[in-house]
Amino acid sequence: SAVISQKPSRDICQRGTSLTIQCQVDSQVTMMFWYRQQPGQSLTLIATANQGSEATYESGFVIDKFPISRPNLTFSTLTVSNMSPEDSSIYLCSVVGQIAGGGADTQYFGPGTRLTVL
Amino acid sequence: GENVEQHPSTLSVQEGDSAVIKCTYSDSASNYFPWYKQELGKRPQLIIDIRSNVGEKKDQRIAVTLNKTAKHFSLHITETQPEDSAVYFCAAHIYGNKLVFGAGTILRVKS
Repeated sequence: SAVISQKPSRDICQRGTSLTIQCQVDSQVTMMFWYRQQPGQSLTLIATANQGSEATYESGFVIDKFPISRPNLTFSTLTVSNMSPEDSSIYLCSVVGQIAGGGADTQYFGPGTRLTVL
Repeated sequence: GENVEQHPSTLSVQEGDSAVIKCTYSDSASNYFPWYKQELGKRPQLIIDIRSNVGEKKDQRIAVTLNKTAKHFSLHITETQPEDSAVYFCAAHIYGNKLVFGAGTILRVKS
């Protein structure tokens, strides 16, 4: 089955700084997404990472705060910019594609990046 | 936009009993409904899914039912075991292959 990895797995950052999270898949996928999961909460979609073009952001999320890149079909980055303690969350990438025996719309998650902002 | 409501928020069952988690959705165009299990500190794992052309799907001790008319779907776990303890999320598929998640159910299986 396909492997989805994220780096870093966790980080502790100072307010006002930025952190870039990487998501790598070992096979080509049609779609990649970025989610935020605040402590004890559900998953909230931040944006769709579009290959070779600007990401599509959900309501409440903006490019200046969460710039996203997707240079190819197996890799994406999410940057959390000008961080504040409210950004402390788990950030997860997910991929859609016919990997791991699933359907064309089956979504699989990376292991997540646990971010703490002091 | 799509709204997914999930109940109950917590569920405690005795080992060997059944557990049922229910979700409702608002967008009648949704046609794919996955369920994820998330253990503490781990990623959400897909455990079962159902598409709108079927009313029920089973995989060993897990089953999902879908009522498109009423816009609700449910997860059924039979013969629960301590390792079933986790947070369970339902989701509904919307345009652009996106998922809208329910708030989650904390399932505790007591041995």
